This record gives sequence, C-alpha cells and structure tokens, in this order.
Amino acid sequence: GENVEQHPSTLSVQEGDSAVIKCTYSDSASNYFPWYKQELGKRPQLIIDIRSNVGEKKDQRIAVTLNKTAKHFSLHITETQPEDSAVYFCAAPSRGTGTASKLTFGTGTRLQVTL
Amino acid sequence: NAGVMQNPRHLVRRRGQEARLRCSPMKGHSHVYWYRQLPEEGLKFMVYLQKENIIDESGMPKERFSAEFPKEGPSILRIQQVVRGDSAAYFCASSPVPWEVGFFGPGTRLTVL
Repeated sequence: GENVEQHPSTLSVQEGDSAVIKCTYSDSASNYFPWYKQELGKRPQLIIDIRSNVGEKKDQRIAVTLNKTAKHFSLHITETQPEDSAVYFCAAPSRGTGTASKLTFGTGTRLQVTL
Repeated sequence: NAGVMQNPRHLVRRRGQEARLRCSPMKGHSHVYWYRQLPEEGLKFMVYLQKENIIDESGMPKERFSAEFPKEGPSILRIQQVVRGDSAAYFCASSPVPWEVGFFGPGTRLTVL
C-alpha cells in the first residue's frame, strides 16, 4: 500500500512570509495529489490538487509542485496571513483491492502564522 | 446541491453500547469513504463503498465494525460494543469518481464514556 510522509510536522512563519510543506509517496502509480486544510474542530477542506500530467499548479497564493521522478510534491503558500493557520494534510491514492484505490493521508503539518 | 451530510454531529455512548453513524453523499456521488481521526492525529482510512458494495475495507477493524451503503438511503458505519478507544471524529467523504475526494462531511464526534 501507499506510504505518505509529510514534513515538517509543525511550521511557524511570520505574516507575509512563505510556507512550504513537502510530502513523499511510495506508489509510483499514484497520479492524483490533493492538499487539505483543516481548522480546529472542522472538516478537512480540499484547497488544491494536482494530477501527474503537470508539474505545477497555482491558485492565487497557493501552489503545488510535483516531482514524479523523486516521488514528492509540495505545497507553497505565499504572503501568509493569520487565517492560513491550520493543519494541512497531503494525500495520495494507492491500490486497494483489485483496481480500486484509497486515498492515504500524510500525518499533517500544523502551520502557525504569527503577527 | 447540499454537501456531504453526516449525523449525528455528536454521539455519546457508554462502553458496550452500539454506535450508528450516517452519511449522505453529495448528489450524484456514488463513491463513499469513511475516515477516523483521533485527537491531534491524521486521517486514517477505514472503508470505501459504492452503492450496495464494499470496495475496500482494509482499514476497518475486523471485529465490531461494519459498514454498508444500501441502494436507498445513507451509508451507515456501525460500531458494536464500543470501547473508550473508539472515541474519535469519524469523517465521511464522497466523490463522483474513485478516490478523488473533494468533499468531506462535518464529521461525527463519538465519545465513549
């Protein structure tokens, strides 16, 4: 099955700085890589995703890069704001039974944006 | 188009009782996933279902836990004879295609006394 490792586990940045969170995966067949943001006591929310046919995707202050050769993908948040403070999870699909797949999540990164 | 619905939002059970968690996927979504999240931890896959079929239950304990997604009605995650270690947030998600999970429900927070 898929093994997804996420680093760092905690990250503190000053408002306006950039934040980078990195994930590595093991299943070379994985071709879809989403990122989720989870605020305290709330549900995970999809913030951006990337498919394996592109190397980078950007949505305003958020971007994701993918390196299929090295099997890692990263979340980049620029011009961080206090409301970016949350736990961020990466995920990657892995083969389950037959051709079905399940989404395996990283262990999460707690981002704290300080004033 | 309502999002993924889960109920109840909070559930308190005593040890040995049964817990039933319900999930209604988004309209048009036939793929349902259940995840468990312990306090301060990540999301652990439990089970993946399509209508009337369990596709992958590799993350679900073999005893006391079961899941179904009938032809009519919500998906049900059932925990029999609950123990304190079952206390967690249980999230359901749905998608129109396999594993592209875009939408989670609000979760059911189970507390076992």
